[in-house]
Amino acid sequence: EIVLTQSPGTLSLSPGERATLSCRASQSVGSDYLAWYQQKPGQAPRLLIYGASSRATGIPDRFSGSGSGTDFTVTISRLEPEDFAVYYCQQHVDLPWTFGQGTKVEIK
Amino acid sequence: EVQLLESGGGSVQPGGSLRLSCAASGFTFSSYAMTWVRQAPGQGLEWVSLISHSGENTYYADFVKGRFTISRDNSRDTLYLQMNNLSAEDTAVYYCAKGTGGNYGGRLDHWGQGTLVTVSS
Repeated sequence: EIVLTQSPGTLSLSPGERATLSCRASQSVGSDYLAWYQQKPGQAPRLLIYGASSRATGIPDRFSGSGSGTDFTVTISRLEPEDFAVYYCQQHVDLPWTFGQGTKVEIK
Repeated sequence: EVQLLESGGGSVQPGGSLRLSCAASGFTFSSYAMTWVRQAPGQGLEWVSLISHSGENTYYADFVKGRFTISRDNSRDTLYLQMNNLSAEDTAVYYCAKGTGGNYGGRLDHWGQGTLVTVSS
């Protein structure tokens, strides 16, 4: 099973600041098979980034993804109030699909 | 507009059973793999099961193998999860999610709102 480790666990930032979230895989997942999701309290997750760097439909360009192999990053260039949420990475190169434990981006 | 509507959650005693349903609309259901993902209270996301577009191939997380059965009725655009021998550890919100491919689905581009399953005596 591929283990995904996200860091940090919690990121405390102010609106307008830059956020950098990390996801490390226990073995290579290439670049095509890594996705990121955003989840707000009481809501279902929403696809944010796929193929490590492609934004999903309707996702603003302040979100960007990068990485390949075992190390991946999502960057939010300038945090908007609606961006404070929990973010999960997921690999779908090998069953069982696995998720990271999440990074909470909270208002400082 | 893609919509996924789960139902069937509720409270059940340990050892009991439940069947979850997920009614799909807004896309050609029979063309896409579907997945169940769960989230225990205050915890992260956990992949549970996957079914190919035709229903021919099914896959399970080890912790549900032999207890849960995923199925689909493409004539009714509905996904199911039969859950047997439930334990407290199965308490979670269960989400159905649409894949972007037909066999494994890959990334999950649409999610339902979730249905809560509570296992308690």
